[in-house]
Amino acid sequence: NAGVTQTPKFQVLKTGQSMTLQCAQDMNHEYMSWYRQDPGMGLRLIHYSVGAGITDQGEVPNGYNVSRSTTEDFPLRLLSAAPSQTSVYFCASKAQGLNTGELFFGEGSRLTVL
Amino acid sequence: QKEVEQDPGPLSVPEGAIVSLNCTYSNSAFQYFMWYRQYSRKGPELLMYTYSSGNKEDGRFTAQVDKSSKYISLFIRDSQPSDSATYLCAMIPRDFGNEKLTFGTGTRLTIIP
Repeated sequence: NAGVTQTPKFQVLKTGQSMTLQCAQDMNHEYMSWYRQDPGMGLRLIHYSVGAGITDQGEVPNGYNVSRSTTEDFPLRLLSAAPSQTSVYFCASKAQGLNTGELFFGEGSRLTVL
Repeated sequence: QKEVEQDPGPLSVPEGAIVSLNCTYSNSAFQYFMWYRQYSRKGPELLMYTYSSGNKEDGRFTAQVDKSSKYISLFIRDSQPSDSATYLCAMIPRDFGNEKLTFGTGTRLTIIP
């Protein structure tokens, strides 16, 4: 059971380039989300989805797009990378209807924008 | 002011010591409280979950919530080198459903053998 899988683990981009961070989960979770983690800022929610075809913005959505065509996949797109988007990105999923708040996280994708 | 405040540390203690990690919050709607543990270069994983006020114990770990003071704590007894990690508190309000977690910034803990 792989859980939440993120690719790539590391990426270096130049300012203005675009890219997609992939996230897949095999737990049949309805809820999926993307966070970024920066020193001193903690985990900040970028976008989330409560099911296929449904997405919504989190705390820091600017510069990022998401889509949810299947239950398993939730890619995060950087439209035109900026140095301020240098961060560690985490994808997380959870089951709906369970009152535990337990998010299952991937291992992270480290992005550097030059 | 952030909704959730957490001392970033770093905190270093000798093996076997009792560790106290704390968070304060300002949103009185927070109802569900969690502690996540994050090892270096890994994703966070859920360690403890509590609902409303009170204590919850799980082995060497005790989570404590004081809603009147808007203060939560995680105690680690008989700390081990394997407890060295970053600990993040997280909270969910009662009026939002169960999706958006608000995280503290995390406290980096090192247990010295």
